[in-house]
Amino acid sequence: GAVVSQHPSRVICKSGTSVKIECRSLDFQATTMFWYRQFPKKSLMLMATSNEGSKATYEQGVEKDKFLINHASLTLSTLTVTSAHPEDSSFYICSARRGAGADQPQHFGDGTRLSIL
Amino acid sequence: DQQVKQNSPSLSVQEGRISILNCDYTNSMFDYFLWYKKYPAEGPTFLISISSIKDKNEDGRFTVFLNKSAKHLSLHIVPSQPGDSAVYFCAASNSGYALNFGKGTSLLVTP
Repeated sequence: GAVVSQHPSRVICKSGTSVKIECRSLDFQATTMFWYRQFPKKSLMLMATSNEGSKATYEQGVEKDKFLINHASLTLSTLTVTSAHPEDSSFYICSARRGAGADQPQHFGDGTRLSIL
Repeated sequence: DQQVKQNSPSLSVQEGRISILNCDYTNSMFDYFLWYKKYPAEGPTFLISISSIKDKNEDGRFTVFLNKSAKHLSLHIVPSQPGDSAVYFCAASNSGYALNFGKGTSLLVTP
């Protein structure tokens, strides 16, 4: 069964709206969660690493004021796309790693399809 | 810059035969490699992984081979089943950091 839950699965909203996406690890605690974005016909690209109790680490080129990440507990990380515009329309997906070991696989949520009109 | 490459966007295999999916990488610092399977409208599901200290890992019908000198890994599925039809992503990481993904290979297993 699913070990990472992501909500909502799809969002359609007007330009200028802020959208929050939740990522939960269901049966394990995740000190680190990851947020990816996928453009059409492209691979998943890491946006940021979410660390419980501390600031997220953003990849180069990702605006941290645009994509707010909060990892307030060991089972929940949220990504807020602030003042979304049509160019933010994309597929966003989170993952969590069970355990701290480097050889632990990441488990993914089902993703969120964001469409900004 | 794509550090993980899956050069075959699609593959069609007959049921019962072997499916071989290939993946190349450029970063010699990668030390952990994974294969994920993805169905439409779902997130990637972890399939099998291999550490750089090994050259083979087997789990049931799935075997991953790693050739570090060639910076190449492959996923073998044998025998292939129609339910294996999905998009397969190769991914690699360095010391447990975030994953670098290939673009995926769409596998179709025909009856």
